Amino acid sequence: DAGITQSPRHKVTETGTPVTLRCHQTENHRYMYWYRQDPGHGLRLIHYSYGVKDTDKGEVSDGYSVSRSKTEDFLLTLESATSSQTSVYFCAISSPGTGNTEAFFGQGTRLTVV
Amino acid sequence: DQQVKQNSPSLSVQEGRISILNCDYTNSMFDYFLWYKKYPAEGPTFLISISSIKDKNEDGRFTVFLNKSAKHLSLHIVPSQPGDSAVYFCAAISGTSGTYKYIFGTGTRLKVLA
Repeated sequence: DAGITQSPRHKVTETGTPVTLRCHQTENHRYMYWYRQDPGHGLRLIHYSYGVKDTDKGEVSDGYSVSRSKTEDFLLTLESATSSQTSVYFCAISSPGTGNTEAFFGQGTRLTVV
Repeated sequence: DQQVKQNSPSLSVQEGRISILNCDYTNSMFDYFLWYKKYPAEGPTFLISISSIKDKNEDGRFTVFLNKSAKHLSLHIVPSQPGDSAVYFCAAISGTSGTYKYIFGTGTRLKVLA
């Protein structure tokens, strides 16, 4: 494994509640990413980080916020969960531009909003 | 706007034969491409990659071909094995904004029949 852990692995939450997913790495990669996987849509980028406190939006960022206060941790927050945010969420880490281009993925978090 | 497209949602192949998975992209600025394999309830795992300065890269049973003029890449698996049954994603690295993002296609589900 590439030293990446997502927590929790499964979560059921109610509409309107805030939810935070955590991604933790032990590999010191500069970049961290949050994706969601949905049938027919593949993997879509939500937000990513290219350094501590440096983040940017992906293609489906509405309703999500992120924070990266240290290299190891990248948090994804759903401010007020909606049923459309029911999905499987994947975190990825990488160091592109250094000659090592592959991204390593976590095991995923299955989130159900009821 | 889907920048990376996998137009075949599924593919079935007999064991021992060749599997060919296709991917098209729209952004001529992409300079690195990757293929990932994903089993159910697991995170995607890196398979093989290719730089835009090459037109072919091989790794064992897996070969990726890149046709830049057509903005098309393909993954060949020879011979196909039942354990290759999975969802395959192609991805491109976008670095045009000065930071790096991985843009994924929607995936192709490969089933290798014994």
